[in-house]
Amino acid sequence: DGGITQSPKYLFRKEGQNVTLSCEQNLNHDAMYWYRQDPGQGLRLIYYSQIVNDFQKGDIAEGYSVSREKKESFPLTVTSAQKNPTAFYLCASSIDSGLSSYEQYFGPGTRLTVT
Amino acid sequence: AQRVTQPEKLLSVFKGAPVELKCNYSYSGSPELFWYVQYSRQRLQLLLRHISRESIKGFTADLNKGETSFHLKKPFAQEEDSAMYYCALPQGGATNKLIFGTGTLLAVQP
Repeated sequence: DGGITQSPKYLFRKEGQNVTLSCEQNLNHDAMYWYRQDPGQGLRLIYYSQIVNDFQKGDIAEGYSVSREKKESFPLTVTSAQKNPTAFYLCASSIDSGLSSYEQYFGPGTRLTVT
Repeated sequence: AQRVTQPEKLLSVFKGAPVELKCNYSYSGSPELFWYVQYSRQRLQLLLRHISRESIKGFTADLNKGETSFHLKKPFAQEEDSAMYYCALPQGGATNKLIFGTGTLLAVQP
């Protein structure tokens, strides 16, 4: 079940600590995404990256940061500035162009709990 | 602005009953619409896209531009269809970002 992996599956942190969620893909996809999934709110886009060394804010970027130093990797840091960080985080990737570019491949997710 | 609305948070049906998961959208131009599915303990994955006009696992979805709808239908529900279903459409512009609806949990009772 490769393709796109996220680690760890569960993560617990104390309030005030930054935490980094890992996302790696071996699909040779150019575009990568981070979503937050909360009950009743669907998937909300945090950050996305269409190419290495470039990324843009999504709808709820405040309190989060990302980097895209390699095509395969798109780590997400949840900072202490994020007011409500406890959530399920999903990473996804897609090819960058063409008819299939809207098909996103998702990782298994990381459940972050901040107390 | 582009928007996707899934009015039902939960849809509960009995096995063998017809299923219709509702999706309405607002989009300027000709939309490309998708249904994604997340089964229990599995990854979110693409179920079908309207441009393919295909039937996957017995599900179909027809784009109705007049009603701005893309409802997902299946004539006879199976227990294994129980999952969270998300409707999605492109945000537009020069990116391939998607806008997802809030999702509908389908529960098929035996």
